[in-house]
Amino acid sequence: ETGVTQTPRHLVMGMTNKKSLKCEQHLGHNAMYWYKQSAKKPLELMFVYNFKEQTENNSVPSRFSPECPNSSHLFLHLHTLQPEDSALYLCASSQDQLAGYPTDTQYFGPGTRLTVL
Amino acid sequence: QQQVKQSPQSLIVQKGGISIINCAYENTAFDYFPWYQQFPGKGPALLIAIRPDVSEKKEGRFTISFNKSAKQFSLHIMDSQPGDSATYFCAASMETSGSRLTFGEGTQLTVNP
Repeated sequence: ETGVTQTPRHLVMGMTNKKSLKCEQHLGHNAMYWYKQSAKKPLELMFVYNFKEQTENNSVPSRFSPECPNSSHLFLHLHTLQPEDSALYLCASSQDQLAGYPTDTQYFGPGTRLTVL
Repeated sequence: QQQVKQSPQSLIVQKGGISIINCAYENTAFDYFPWYQQFPGKGPALLIAIRPDVSEKKEGRFTISFNKSAKQFSLHIMDSQPGDSATYFCAASMETSGSRLTFGEGTQLTVNP
């Protein structure tokens, strides 16, 4: 596979469930991102990892827990979610995420469509 | 102010027409302005981008026009085709924040045959 892949593509879960979203990038990038995409709203940046280290947590509730075991893989662990958390969750990667350098292109995966009942 | 305002929310154009999507920003520190294209069931993909040292950038049928004094930039799609039907997002970032992008709300473009 090439590019950025995400699994599962669709997920339905109850508010008491625990589930995980997986992202894998095959581009040799060092930075990975989680975004939340809701209808008619801008993409919301949730977390950023650069060289496996979290560099940004955009005030995301603790019911979302990211994990980045290596530069190619990124997980988003979900627990006790709310119905308003239903959205498309997008993973992206870029070469780096270094302040003071020109912005690198971000490459997005197809997303996981999450529905919380 | 980190917001990027995008308009219109939706746009319907006839095949062969010109599609124009506009964005405005407040933060004068922004120095990179990309446009992303998203098809249903896919993630956004970079379409074209511009830096503020030029006022226009053209790639095929796609052109970004940039007005630094007005803090506005726009995407023009010439000879619009049904295959261009997608959601378009403008974004902005600044070197001091690395690759952190601030996105607009998106424009759903429909090109009728």
